[in-house]
Amino acid sequence: GQNIDQPTEMTATEGAIVQINCTYQTSGFNGLFWYQQHAGEAPTFLSYNVLDGLEEKGRFSSFLSRSKGYSYLLLKELQMKDSASYLCAVRLNTGNQFYFGTGTSLTVIP
Amino acid sequence: DTAVSQTPKYLVTQMGNDKSIKCEQNLGHDTMYWYKQDSKKFLKIMFSYNNKELIINETVPNRFSPKSPDKAHLNLHINSLELGDSAVYFCASSQGAAATYEQYFGPGTRLTVT
Repeated sequence: GQNIDQPTEMTATEGAIVQINCTYQTSGFNGLFWYQQHAGEAPTFLSYNVLDGLEEKGRFSSFLSRSKGYSYLLLKELQMKDSASYLCAVRLNTGNQFYFGTGTSLTVIP
Repeated sequence: DTAVSQTPKYLVTQMGNDKSIKCEQNLGHDTMYWYKQDSKKFLKIMFSYNNKELIINETVPNRFSPKSPDKAHLNLHINSLELGDSAVYFCASSQGAAATYEQYFGPGTRLTVT
């Protein structure tokens, strides 16, 4: 089976930096994706990593270490609107399958 | 202009009824999915269709049946609804099998079974 773990909840201060970790144990890894989901809304794509290293997209960066089965999402210059759930998802190389972690609920406080 | 649309947005029904949720994407994507998100916000894949062919069928009850009349549509039919089916159901699509293709999600259908 597939196993993807994330912290359940995190709190951070507006303007700060927060790192959300994701560890995974899967067969046939073919990429790791991060999605943002605001309460009552659909998940929206943030970033993906296929190779090891850091991918930067504005205030958001994502890192991947395939040998360690580890990824993190880094959010800089936090804003109140960043309060949301952040979902880590692993894509497998068979049958176009995606498996999501349980999500990390981030609360940004003033 | 909506990329992935679902209807209805809310569905309240009684146990034992049969219901359908419709999904359409206008992105020209090859693959469509159905996910169930429970009260704990865990997003679990249910089905995936690639060019009208089922390629994933997770351990969901056979009361759930996906139907894809064409590449742009993937409907979800549920027979004999149970209380435990109450959840938010998301439809999604992606362009293909390459690792770079992210999924686009519909707005979700909140199903409440009473």
